[in-house]
Amino acid sequence: AQTVTQSQPEMSVQEAETVTLSCTYDTSESDYYLFWYKQPPSRQMILVIRQEAYKQQNATENRFSVNFQKAAKSFSLKISDSQLGDAAMYFCAYRVRDDKIIFGKGTRLHILP
Amino acid sequence: SAVISQKPSRDICQRGTSLTIQCQVDSQVTMMFWYRQQPGQSLTLIATANQGSEATYESGFVIDKFPISRPNLTFSTLTVSNMSPEDSSIYLCSVEDRTYQETQYFGPGTRLLVL
Repeated sequence: AQTVTQSQPEMSVQEAETVTLSCTYDTSESDYYLFWYKQPPSRQMILVIRQEAYKQQNATENRFSVNFQKAAKSFSLKISDSQLGDAAMYFCAYRVRDDKIIFGKGTRLHILP
Repeated sequence: SAVISQKPSRDICQRGTSLTIQCQVDSQVTMMFWYRQQPGQSLTLIATANQGSEATYESGFVIDKFPISRPNLTFSTLTVSNMSPEDSSIYLCSVEDRTYQETQYFGPGTRLLVL
């Protein structure tokens, strides 16, 4: 069965610094999709970034980038120039097309002013 | 991405009662999804709602407890029936992106507290 593991329940980073959130997953599939979602205290789930497994190039979205290591089944999220508004729960997620999304347990990120 | 709204945004209910949560999308979508997020937990899929057919429920969720309607391509409701304190959660609906169908976008959620 596919699983998604986020080994860091909580992390803190100084404002303007860089932080990396870890995610590993287990699958026997070769074609799948990976996501990072952000859930601030407002509870809205916001898509941060998506990665297609068949693409070797790491996805980037402004200050957010991923380090996708397919052989290692690792999908970490790097946040550069951290801002107070980045404080949230971050969920790593995995999906095979036409199947349900599987979420990790989340990492709570604190931004220290 | 689609704009999704949910009503109510929050509610406090007495045990034994039922609550219907509405999810409205600003564009037509084939699939809509309902999730539950218990306090401090991750998201768990309750069911998938396809317009014109019965919803498909995940293991551990049954239609009698969580009836779902999907009357058209922009709207769905989830009812939480005969509530108990264990039903206190955030309930979220989501839809697939039109172009990248493996990607889901979420509504703002409904925070439910059952006393």
